[in-house]
Amino acid sequence: KAGVTQTPRYLIKTRGQQVTLSCSPISGHRSVSWYQQTPGQGLQFLFEYFSETQRNKGNFPGRFSGRQFSNSRSEMNVSTLELGDSALYLCASSLRQGATFTGELFFGEGSRLTVL
Amino acid sequence: AQTVTQSQPEMSVQEAETVTLSCTYDTSESDYYLFWYKQPPSRQMILVIRQEAYKQQNATENRFSVNFQKAAKSFSLKISDSQLGDAAMYFCAYRSADYGGSQGNLIFGKGTKLSVKP
Repeated sequence: KAGVTQTPRYLIKTRGQQVTLSCSPISGHRSVSWYQQTPGQGLQFLFEYFSETQRNKGNFPGRFSGRQFSNSRSEMNVSTLELGDSALYLCASSLRQGATFTGELFFGEGSRLTVL
Repeated sequence: AQTVTQSQPEMSVQEAETVTLSCTYDTSESDYYLFWYKQPPSRQMILVIRQEAYKQQNATENRFSVNFQKAAKSFSLKISDSQLGDAAMYFCAYRSADYGGSQGNLIFGKGTKLSVKP
């Protein structure tokens, strides 16, 4: 069974640009959540999508947005990039219920964004 | 709001010895999940062990075990017979069991960097 796939793995942008990151969840997982990881703030929840609907949102500005498609793949977008947006962006997929639900989130390898 | 606290930014253990990583959390919920995740330098987060709050029995996975004290809101990880490959960042995390609520939101502690000395 393929794991969570994130693309691109690395990218460099300049301030003011926008970026789109992609995440393909484990087959059968309909919940996809995104996290920002920085040395200073640690791991912070961005948002969660389930069945193409945003279910939860963390405390991030509106420049951070996302969406989920009917095949459960998800994208997140950051507009008007700032230096402080440099981070590792992690995507995780999971079930939300069902006979095999264990509560676990499965993580991708992340997308490393550098903003210059 | 739930919070997770890891009070040990760094820990060190000798190979083959035992080490315990601490984690406390705060919640008003009665049903939830707790996890320990490991993030090696290659950075993919992988699950080490999980605990359902309604289960009193402490979870065990090979050399990894937890001490879950629900009343004290404590969830420590014990690593026995430490190996060089155990060196990594370890994150304690909380997940609500509320299907209709914030279930998708995993709340992490700041992490503990574990070094293993040969």
